[in-house]
Amino acid sequence: EVQVVQSGAEVKKPGESLKISCQGSGYTFSTKWIGWVRQMPGKGLEWMGSIYPGDSETRYSPSFQGQVTISADKSITTVYLQWSRLKASDTAIYYCARRGASPDAFDFWGQGTVVTVSS
Amino acid sequence: DIVLTQSPGTLSLSPGERATLSCRASRSVSNNYLAWYQQKPGQAPRLLIYGASSRATGIPDRFSGSGSGTDFTLTISRLEPEDFAVYYCQQYGRALYTFGLGTKLE
Repeated sequence: EVQVVQSGAEVKKPGESLKISCQGSGYTFSTKWIGWVRQMPGKGLEWMGSIYPGDSETRYSPSFQGQVTISADKSITTVYLQWSRLKASDTAIYYCARRGASPDAFDFWGQGTVVTVSS
Repeated sequence: DIVLTQSPGTLSLSPGERATLSCRASRSVSNNYLAWYQQKPGQAPRLLIYGASSRATGIPDRFSGSGSGTDFTLTISRLEPEDFAVYYCQQYGRALYTFGLGTKLE
């Protein structure tokens, strides 16, 4: 059974760093792209970027390039999303999702990680 | 980047009725790489349709997708109570993804 499980909720202060995780299981982890999607409170979905765990090739949305870092550790089937300096506007739910056989389809989603940034 | 415009913003219907949701792209979507997702409050999105018209695994056949180029449609033939949710279209092209702003089905 394919599963994508994310790390738990985080509460941080502006300026702090943060790394959240997404672990895949039940499939050959290194051969499927994983994407990160942001959902700000009451808003829609925004693709942030994706990584191919097999070789860590990474692609970013222009809107998020330089704002976050996506990485992977295939030895523990885990992908990460990282901020060096959080802002209040980073408050959102962050989803990771596995890309399926078709390039346009994110077929398995994590449960979401709620990130709250507040002083 | 391709901009996806979904309409209507909100669709008010009753169980048993037919729902037609539209997604229009600012330019042609490569290889019809257009997907539809359903999201209920407090839940992650769920893939319904990919490649414009292919149903994802486990999706009931009352959901269907159609269209090509710049105009795409998600149709729910007979609404069930569990279908009331927000629906997003999403395209893939040039290694980038974009989502529409969503249609709320109430």
